[in-house]
Amino acid sequence: KNQVEQSPQSLIILEGKNCTLQCNYTVSPFSNLRWYKQDTGRGPVSLTIMTFSENTKSNGRYTATLDADTKQSSLHITASQLSDSASYICVVSAGGSYIPTFGRGTSLIVHP
Amino acid sequence: NAGVTQTPKFQVLKTGQSMTLQCAQDMNHNSMYWYRQDPGMGLRLIYYSASEGTTDKGEVPNGYNVSRLNKREFSLRLESAAPSQTSVYFCASSEGWTGTGLTGELFFGEGSRLTVL
Repeated sequence: KNQVEQSPQSLIILEGKNCTLQCNYTVSPFSNLRWYKQDTGRGPVSLTIMTFSENTKSNGRYTATLDADTKQSSLHITASQLSDSASYICVVSAGGSYIPTFGRGTSLIVHP
Repeated sequence: NAGVTQTPKFQVLKTGQSMTLQCAQDMNHNSMYWYRQDPGMGLRLIYYSASEGTTDKGEVPNGYNVSRLNKREFSLRLESAAPSQTSVYFCASSEGWTGTGLTGELFFGEGSRLTVL
């Protein structure tokens, strides 16, 4: 069964600090991995997509990494801002499947 | 850009009542999905439609029905609402199958918050 595990479940940091969120997956055959950001009361929005051949991808202050050998991904947030407070969801798609597998998300709170 | 539009945004029902959640997308996407989100459970797939004219069950389909009315619209119906169906419901769409394979990115609506008393 395809699974996506995220850690930590929740995280509290001070504004301006960096943080890293983790995602481990067992999805086969692997097609791509996306990180979504979900603000409170809103729908999730895609931040980055990682394919098998990509190790690192940046989107502003967000940097995602992928290690396809160990089936791990991380999302690093640099110089956090209050607006980064949200849930971050790791979603992995299998080749040939219409149904991506969702992690339960990491809830990030950034305090001033 | 409207993207994915869900109605209603909020609804309160009594146990046993029925209702339909509406979803429409204007991105010419082939695939559409209904998810529910509960605290600590993440997003769980109820039903999906890979393409116009097809629908399939997801992880938690019991108590729900769907209709893919046309390429734009995908509705979710609760025939006899139960308190366990109190949740936030999200509709999503994606391109689905393209010439190079499944793209995977989901575009979500803003959610419909349903309370069943």
